[in-house]
Amino acid sequence: GAVVSQHPSWVICKSGTSVKIECRSLDFQATTMFWYRQFPKQSLMLMATSNEGSKATYEQGVEKDKFLINHASLTLSTLTVTSAHPEDSSFYICSASSLTSGQEGGYEQYFGPGTRLTVT
Amino acid sequence: TQLLEQSPQFLSIQEGENLTVYCNSSSVFSSLQWYRQEPGEGPVLLVTVVTGGEVKKLKRLTFQFGDARKDSSLHITAAQPGDTGLYLCAGERGSYIPTFGRGTSLIVHP
Repeated sequence: GAVVSQHPSWVICKSGTSVKIECRSLDFQATTMFWYRQFPKQSLMLMATSNEGSKATYEQGVEKDKFLINHASLTLSTLTVTSAHPEDSSFYICSASSLTSGQEGGYEQYFGPGTRLTVT
Repeated sequence: TQLLEQSPQFLSIQEGENLTVYCNSSSVFSSLQWYRQEPGEGPVLLVTVVTGGEVKKLKRLTFQFGDARKDSSLHITAAQPGDTGLYLCAGERGSYIPTFGRGTSLIVHP
């Protein structure tokens, strides 16, 4: 099956610093990657859609200058949380989109293991 | 307004019981996925349903896609503690951007 990795798995940083999170599709090429934020026991909140070679599309309410997304290749997307503050502490998850393996078509999401960010 | 209504939001049951999780919408989806997520990990894809009326089985899990492709259900038979987790449904409407339900947090007590 499709495998997506994320690095780091957890990070603690001081307020005001920037943190970069990497998302890689290991065994397939993903033209589209997604970045989500998740609060405890809640569903995923889509932050942005990232297409290889083009600017990311941000969801309403997500500051693009604060959450910088770069999708330089078909297997790598990065999310940089700039000037992090305690309220940015959260679980960040990326996913990569791939066509379904069956004849029915459509897309499936394969998720990374997530990154726990704690800003002190 | 949540595009995909998932219910129940929380479920706490004893080992051996059966349960059903529902995912409903007024919109038609070209495909719908079910995921299971454990704490501190990313969601894991369980199944994709595409055809209206489709039923898929994965061991003790049965997934059904409504005839009109607006709703879906997940039924677990004889739940086990290992089934504990957050279950998420996600629908795709042809734009490859998924819409997630709020999730169902399931706890199965031994």
